[in-house]
Amino acid sequence: EAQVTQNPRYLITVTGKKLTVTCSQNMNHEYMSWYRQDPGLGLRQIYYSMNVEVTDKGDVPEGYKVSRKEKRNFPLILESPSPNQTSLYFCASSLQDGSYGYTFGSGTRLTVV
Amino acid sequence: AQSVTQLDSHVSVSEGTPVLLRCNYSSSYSPSLFWYVQHPNKGLQLLLKYTSAATLVKGINGFEAEFKKSETSFHLTKPSAHMSDAAEYFCVVSVLSGGTSYGKLTFGQGTILTVHP
Repeated sequence: EAQVTQNPRYLITVTGKKLTVTCSQNMNHEYMSWYRQDPGLGLRQIYYSMNVEVTDKGDVPEGYKVSRKEKRNFPLILESPSPNQTSLYFCASSLQDGSYGYTFGSGTRLTVV
Repeated sequence: AQSVTQLDSHVSVSEGTPVLLRCNYSSSYSPSLFWYVQHPNKGLQLLLKYTSAATLVKGINGFEAEFKKSETSFHLTKPSAHMSDAAEYFCVVSVLSGGTSYGKLTFGQGTILTVHP
């Protein structure tokens, strides 16, 4: 089944403790990206990657890192999480230009206390 | 810069009546436009997309949208609402420049659709 898989689905952590949210896709998509969803703000793009070793900032990149060492994986790294990063996170992938639509993962609900 | 405005944060309809969710966009170049649906505690599912082909786009579950360049609109419609349509809907624009996407997606703030029996 073609899908984007995020792990974990739920995570509660403490301020300052580094964490990684994984994202993997099995569709051989070049493009992958991360979003956070907050009430009243919709989804905002954090980082995106057009292909392996090519990443760029979205609208809200502060406090996040990403890497794209393999085509299928695009982990989101929070080096020192803070409570304002409590949010629902989505990973998505698509063919290179995105014009055929984006496939989203099921989401990761992160709480930073 | 690109932007998307969903004109209603909440829309309430009765089952069997038409649905209209409004979306206006701003783009310096020819955009790709999408509608996504998110059911409670679920991920996002693509309803339909416009990518410079036919201006009237048909999607899944009876939804359709019309791209109107003169009005910079991409409103989502459905002739007859079902209870299962209750969800949050997002209009999305993809940034394009010179025919190459820069990969940035801009989401509207969402419209919550409530369907009454």
